[in-house]
Amino acid sequence: EPEVTQTPSHQVTQMGQEVILRCVPISNHLYFYWYRQILGQKVEFLVSFYNNEISEKSEIFDDQFSVERPDGSNFTLKIRSTKLEDSAMYFCASISYYEQYFGPGTRLTVT
Amino acid sequence: GQQLNQSPQSMFIQEGEDVSMNCTSSSIFNTWLWYKQDPGEGPVLLIALYKAGELTSNGRLTAQFGTTRKDSFLNISASIPSDVGIYFCAGQEISGNTPLVFGKGTRLSVIA
Repeated sequence: EPEVTQTPSHQVTQMGQEVILRCVPISNHLYFYWYRQILGQKVEFLVSFYNNEISEKSEIFDDQFSVERPDGSNFTLKIRSTKLEDSAMYFCASISYYEQYFGPGTRLTVT
Repeated sequence: GQQLNQSPQSMFIQEGEDVSMNCTSSSIFNTWLWYKQDPGEGPVLLIALYKAGELTSNGRLTAQFGTTRKDSFLNISASIPSDVGIYFCAGQEISGNTPLVFGKGTRLSVIA
């Protein structure tokens, strides 16, 4: 069964460093999402992406965040200058009809 | 922003018992989804609901889309140890390619 994959599974970085989180959505899906989950809290929407551009973003998705689809398969989330409060699980999701399928997540730890 | 109130926050039950959890919203949703999350993993879709009043089952799981479109519940019958995890409701104001709004989750523990 096709699935969303994400790399790396865990990233540790120092405050102020840039990180790139990678996702490979399910191949025939057209809409892609990034969500964030701070430890012990609910899943929160960051940004949605369609047709090579952002279609919607939340208040969390400020200027330090960016998304890209650099080729036909990868979908990336870049955090330019990480802060301690960026430590969280980051989930990529892609959509088929109305159902969003989530990847296993990347645990980002900012020290 | 939109908020989903999910309850209970946590449950401890004996293996074999039935479980019920629910979500309510102050605004109308056109899609309700229920996900399960195991530690360190991503949410896995359990059941999706698209019409008010809809009742859908997936094995021992049953979920309903409330008639007011402002609530949904999930029932698990005859719980087993592998049901342990966090269950999240999620809603979409507009069905389709729009972001999900998540509840805060119900942490289920099953005592064998």
